[in-house]
Amino acid sequence: DIVMTQSPLSLSVTLGQPASISCRSSLSLVYSDGNTYLNWFHQRPGQSPRRLIYKVSQRDSGVPDRFSGSGSGTDFTLKISRVEADDVGIYYCMQGSHWPSITFGRGTRLEIK
Amino acid sequence: QVQLVQSGAEVKKPGSSLKVSCRTSGGTLNNYTVSWVRQAPGQGLEWMGGVIPIFDIANYAQRFQGRVTFTADEATTTVYMELNSLTPDDTAVYYCARGLTGDTTSGLSHFYYYVMDVWGEGTAVTVSS
Repeated sequence: DIVMTQSPLSLSVTLGQPASISCRSSLSLVYSDGNTYLNWFHQRPGQSPRRLIYKVSQRDSGVPDRFSGSGSGTDFTLKISRVEADDVGIYYCMQGSHWPSITFGRGTRLEIK
Repeated sequence: QVQLVQSGAEVKKPGSSLKVSCRTSGGTLNNYTVSWVRQAPGQGLEWMGGVIPIFDIANYAQRFQGRVTFTADEATTTVYMELNSLTPDDTAVYYCARGLTGDTTSGLSHFYYYVMDVWGEGTAVTVSS
């Protein structure tokens, strides 16, 4: 299976400051059609995960533009330009490029300092 | 806004079976795939596999092969996850998550499980003697 390695595993950020989460895959996530199927999810405590970003950098409807995704090949990053209180929770990256394996990273816990 | 509505929490004995449902709140699941993802207490997300309701075809992650079955009802409004031979390690929240089917003539609908743009609220399952 493709291994997705996130870092850091936890992050403590002051309100209004930026945050950055890294996700590295054990194999390139570029699919044969040229697309890269890398999603980012956010899970608030006690809630279901919510997709934020798909195909590396495409923001879902309703996701603030404070959130941005970037990267290519095996290295990807989720950035929050100015952290707000509502951003706490766990962030997961997930790859869908390597069927039949769909794999998530271990998650990065974001808390407010 | 389409939602996925899951069945309620369950408490099971080791060795028993579990069946969880996931129903769309509007329309059918004909244009969608549905994944099942579980989350053990304090742990991350694990993809178990998925089902393509319009074809009633299921795909299973290797570690769950032979122990889990995904099905869809004839109306393709509800999908089910059945897990057998439960152990305490199966204690988790089980989520369904919607994908797409893509071009259904391509035979590649299973590829679109990864989409996961809409999630159910989760079903908490406790396995304990």
